[in-house]
Amino acid sequence: DAGVTQSPTHLIKTRGQHVTLRCSPISGHKSVSWYQQVLGQGPQFIFQYYEKEERGRGNFPDRFSARQFPNYSSELNVNALLLGDSALYLCASSFNRGQETQYFGPGTRLLVL
Amino acid sequence: GIQVEQSPPDLILQEGANSTLRCNFSDSVNNLQWFHQNPWGQLINLFYIPSGTKQNGRLSATTVATERYSLLYISSSQTTDSGVYFCAGRQTSGSRLTFGEGTQLTVNP
Repeated sequence: DAGVTQSPTHLIKTRGQHVTLRCSPISGHKSVSWYQQVLGQGPQFIFQYYEKEERGRGNFPDRFSARQFPNYSSELNVNALLLGDSALYLCASSFNRGQETQYFGPGTRLLVL
Repeated sequence: GIQVEQSPPDLILQEGANSTLRCNFSDSVNNLQWFHQNPWGQLINLFYIPSGTKQNGRLSATTVATERYSLLYISSSQTTDSGVYFCAGRQTSGSRLTFGEGTQLTVNP
């Protein structure tokens, strides 16, 4: 079975631009979460979506938004990119929104110049 | 939200040595996971262990939920064990996994 997939794997943008990152969960999983990992730190929670609704949001500005589609895949959008948005963006899926294992994708490395 | 503290921050071992990594939580969690992050950034699931003890090959983990800590044991370490180890927890009413800062493990041949 395929694991969590993310695209693109790498991305280079300039300040002020917009970026869209994509995630496909494990087949049958209904919950998708997004995390940002800055170099040298642990991942930080951005959003959780379950059944196409936002179920949780971390301490990130409104420039960050996301959505989940009927097939449970998800997009993370970041507007007006800043240098500090350079990070590894990780997507995780789980069957439910409850207390079970989350499985992570390989991530998208974003560099903002 | 909860705070997660991992120790030690860095660990250097010779191949074949054993090690113990620790994770402390500031509040109760009922979802606790250990991950190994490889050099390419992939977070690999090691254990889902909100309580009790589990073993998988040379790795084992123990969580004492009442005392809000978890331990990851690595025995007979190999160079391929190198990387960053993270623990993460989620509270009952929460939607997020909160990660520690990780333990950077280096196993030398």
